[in-house]
Amino acid sequence: QLQLQESGPGLVKPSETLSLTCTVSGGSISSSSYYWGWIRQPPGKGLEWTGIIYYSGSTYYNPSLKSRVTISVDTSKNQFSLNLSSVTAADTAVYYCARHDCSSTSCPFDYWGQGILVTVSS
Amino acid sequence: EIVLTQSPATLSLSPGERATLSCRASQSVSSYLAWYQQKPGQAPRLLIYDASNRATGIPARFSGSGSGTDFTLTISSLEPEDFAVYYCQQRSNWPLMYTFGQGTKLELK
Repeated sequence: QLQLQESGPGLVKPSETLSLTCTVSGGSISSSSYYWGWIRQPPGKGLEWTGIIYYSGSTYYNPSLKSRVTISVDTSKNQFSLNLSSVTAADTAVYYCARHDCSSTSCPFDYWGQGILVTVSS
Repeated sequence: EIVLTQSPATLSLSPGERATLSCRASQSVSSYLAWYQQKPGQAPRLLIYDASNRATGIPARFSGSGSGTDFTLTISSLEPEDFAVYYCQQRSNWPLMYTFGQGTKLELK
């Protein structure tokens, strides 16, 4: 059974960089047809797609965050990571990592991590 | 950017009743649409992909329909565990981007 687990600090200061890692177990991050992504959810609000990465390193980002976000992959550790720079209180959210199954045309997010709450505050 | 608008914002029903949730796209998304269920404190769970295909392990009472700009998620007979928030999500190709609707809260009447 595929599992994803987010890790990283739960508190980040304004203007600093938020860094999270997603560890994938029960399957290989190098599998074809799958992308790996980050979705966030501010408290009490809806879901926002942040970006995705393929095991080869190809990335796609949400245009609204593109100047601040970097997603990377480490296939040797079966992990991928999110860096979001220059954070403000508006970046406070639960951050989920998820698998994109692009064997179907809508590329749905079929496996999700449990989520990690990151608060931006001094 | 394609915007997804879900209606109603809140739907109050009783167990055994039929639920119909709507998702409308600001422009055609073909069948590139998925539905998710989210319960408090949990990650979303994939229900439907490609507008009408049930994900693995999803009960048959959940069904999706539509194409282009208008989509519907139907729960034929509500079970107590179905009361949650439901999101639709689309994929657009140029630029490659994924957006979610604002959600419909299905609450116990």
